[in-house]
Amino acid sequence: GNSVTQMEGPVTLSEEAFLTINCTYTATGYPSLFWYVQYPGEGLQLLLKATKADDKGSNKGFEATYRKETTSFHLEKGSVQVSDSAVYFCASGSSNTGKLIFGQGTTLQVKP
Amino acid sequence: EAGVAQSPRYKIIEKRQSVAFWCNPISGHATLYWYQQILGQGPKLLIQFQNNGVVDDSQLPKDRFSAERLKGVDSTLKIQPAKLEDSAVYLCASSFGTAFPDTQYFGPGTRLTVL
Repeated sequence: GNSVTQMEGPVTLSEEAFLTINCTYTATGYPSLFWYVQYPGEGLQLLLKATKADDKGSNKGFEATYRKETTSFHLEKGSVQVSDSAVYFCASGSSNTGKLIFGQGTTLQVKP
Repeated sequence: EAGVAQSPRYKIIEKRQSVAFWCNPISGHATLYWYQQILGQGPKLLIQFQNNGVVDDSQLPKDRFSAERLKGVDSTLKIQPAKLEDSAVYLCASSFGTAFPDTQYFGPGTRLTVL
């Protein structure tokens, strides 16, 4: 069945460091790919998405590129801030039903 | 624009008791989802409604879980009887259309503890 695998956390970085959170997926067909973020005490919110191969999603300085050949959607940010501390979830979405399959989440902690 | 509303925010019950959660999606959203998020894991879809109808309930434990979406708006999710392993956050999400992919908007969740 379809699945999403993320790198295990927690990831601890200093402010202004470069961030990469790895995400790979298995799916039948051509899913859409998403990154959701959950800040402390808040609900899940969409960070960025890509709907087809080679698309790049971007938002708030974060980027991820849909790589069909490596079945990956790695999240990157050039310079993290303390306010980026949160749990990040990678997800694949069915183009037929919209059903999301989530990875297990990666906790990011950014220290000043 | 108001977001997805859920209540209660927290619930503590003993095993074998019953519990119900309520969700009010964003106005005009046709599709509604219930997810279960166990601590340390990503959310898992329990059931998806499109207007009044069920699109996917393949992962809903139907011997104890039930859900309905009357009039295509609000939805309730019920557990009867609850088990210890049902302790989790129950998330409701909604999306605008019936064409996918479509952005899902999540509510704050209901944290259920079963003792």
